[in-house]
Amino acid sequence: AQSVAQPEDQVNVAEGNPLTVKCTYSVSGNPYLFWYVQYPNRGLQFLLKYITGDNLVKGSYGFEAEFNKSQTSFHLKKPSALVSDSALYFCAVSASGAGSYQLTFGKGTKLSVIP
Amino acid sequence: DAMVIQNPRYQVTQFGKPVTLSCSQTLNHNVMYWYQQKSSQAPKLLFHYYDKDFNNEADTPDNFQSRRPNTSFCFLDIRSPGLGDAAMYLCATSSRGRETQYFGPGTRLLVL
Repeated sequence: AQSVAQPEDQVNVAEGNPLTVKCTYSVSGNPYLFWYVQYPNRGLQFLLKYITGDNLVKGSYGFEAEFNKSQTSFHLKKPSALVSDSALYFCAVSASGAGSYQLTFGKGTKLSVIP
Repeated sequence: DAMVIQNPRYQVTQFGKPVTLSCSQTLNHNVMYWYQQKSSQAPKLLFHYYDKDFNNEADTPDNFQSRRPNTSFCFLDIRSPGLGDAAMYLCATSSRGRETQYFGPGTRLLVL
């Protein structure tokens, strides 16, 4: 069975500093990896995904993520945090084969950017 | 803009009174999903449709049903809502399996 771990419930970072939100995964076969952001009382908004190719993936709003196969990680990063980045971030994985429609989410990491 | 729309955004129902949540999409995607999300937890997949083929997750309660009358619309029916069914219900679509899922804004359900 596939799974996603987001080891930090909350990450605090000062505005202008770089941010990292951690994600590790477990899946059979080649993973498809996603990051979503959720603002209060809103749906999930797609940020970026990794399917294959370059390990560094660039996404919306200046976010990027680095796929590391040996460490089974897909950490989300941004060089300079904005107060408006404060939200709940979900990492997700889907696997090949049966169950490929299922997107398995981590439990989420609350990011707080302090002015 | 192509999008996923959910109505209503907020729904209040009484314990045991059937309720229907609506989702529509202008993306012309083949797959539509329903998720349940409680208290900032991870979304939990209830079921999905690939075109007209319905796929129920093994642990989805029988109390939850779904209908997809056409490509654009999908409904979530909760036959007898309990207090534990109070949650945010998210609809999502994708062109096919493993592709990016695009989410609607959600419907927050309150059961009194």
